[in-house]
Amino acid sequence: DVKVTQSSRYLVKRTGEKVFLECVQDMDHENMFWYRQDPGLGLRLIYFSYDVKMKEKGDIPEGYSVSREKKERFSLILESASTNQTSMYLCASSLLFRGYEQYFGPGTRLTVT
Amino acid sequence: GQQVMQIPQYQHVQEGEDFTTYCNSSTTLSNIQWYKQRPGGHPVFLIQLVKSGEVKKQKRLTFQFGEAKKNSSLHITATQTTDVGTYFCAATSSNTGKLIFGQGTTLQVKP
Repeated sequence: DVKVTQSSRYLVKRTGEKVFLECVQDMDHENMFWYRQDPGLGLRLIYFSYDVKMKEKGDIPEGYSVSREKKERFSLILESASTNQTSMYLCASSLLFRGYEQYFGPGTRLTVT
Repeated sequence: GQQVMQIPQYQHVQEGEDFTTYCNSSTTLSNIQWYKQRPGGHPVFLIQLVKSGEVKKQKRLTFQFGEAKKNSSLHITATQTTDVGTYFCAATSSNTGKLIFGQGTTLQVKP
């Protein structure tokens, strides 16, 4: 079974702090994704990566950056957290990019005060 | 950009009643995926449809892909309390290859 883990289930940070969200998958998947989930908006793609050190912007990349130094690990960075970044953050991975199912981690609920 | 609209946003049913959620796009979709997210959980892949007019069943769940490949539906027969959760459709963007999610339908089942 594919396992995607995220470093924290709940996180509370102050406005202006730099925040790191970590995601690890154990199935040697090429592709990894970061989404944020907000009520009524579904899942919106922030960034994705199709290979080590490769990254592409998703639909809402502003205020975020990512890092993928190893195949199994994909990090989301909030350079200077703001209250409008309070959300559920979901990491996912997939074997190949187009038309393949994605496996999600348990999510990190981030609150920025 | 390509969008996928999902309705209804919420649905409350009595246990034993049927439930349907619909997913619509103005453009032709190459495929459609369905995910279920239990309360407090994360999305879990249910199924993928690829062919025009395709119908697939998983026990009480029936998934359909429209003939024009612009819409899809998920129908649950005789709902149970274990069906509670949010159901998402997702389609692969023909331009970018990214998965585009609908807004989700949250199902509540009264026992």
